[in-house]
Amino acid sequence: DTAVSQTPKYLVTQMGNDKSIKCEQNLGHDTMYWYKQDSKKFLKIMFSYNNKELIINETVPNRFSPKSPDKAHLNLHINSLELGDSAVYFCASSQGTGHSGANVLTFGAGSRLTVL
Amino acid sequence: DQQVKQNSPSLSVQEGRISILNCDYTNSMFDYFLWYKKYPAEGPTFLISISSIKDKNEDGRFTVFLNKSAKHLSLHIVPSQPGDSAVYFCAASEVTGNQFYFGTGTSLTVIP
Repeated sequence: DTAVSQTPKYLVTQMGNDKSIKCEQNLGHDTMYWYKQDSKKFLKIMFSYNNKELIINETVPNRFSPKSPDKAHLNLHINSLELGDSAVYFCASSQGTGHSGANVLTFGAGSRLTVL
Repeated sequence: DQQVKQNSPSLSVQEGRISILNCDYTNSMFDYFLWYKKYPAEGPTFLISISSIKDKNEDGRFTVFLNKSAKHLSLHIVPSQPGDSAVYFCAASEVTGNQFYFGTGTSLTVIP
């Protein structure tokens, strides 16, 4: 039973389209995240939600809109896709928000988005 | 500006020998560090962590060393096994921070 699952695993689409990636965690964690891994393999945080409340919103184009219907789900919607959006997007969750020795991220398997 | 750096993109080691993966950071406020391991087509999985009050943490074959004055940490794997072949990411967090900063990873290949 997958702890953090995200769908789809692969997504190929044309520039200008709108697409969504879904994420669900069954760990009972309070916090969920979206990370982007670009072509340089740099893993960078995009958003973080704690109990459905947005707590981290890094410098991300407003074409990216996260939505958390409940604390077990965090979806990512992307409008007007651009070539530079091609990347692997990882969903993750953790027990808490603050810094602590127990605050370890559990990642999903990633969603590879290719924009043509 | 990348605050966590892994300057070696790849490393090859013979089975049974020691693997040493290095990580440097620039933010002196970082005080909690983790290593993640990633296999192809999977998400990173947590391996081992260390807080700044320690300079060493050990878990089986894996040991992480922290040198705060040099802003450097390393992961030692001994003995290395072929199943250790993966990409290893170093991550760091500030005292009051609620996010982790990741390095770009080091791809380890353990040769049987």
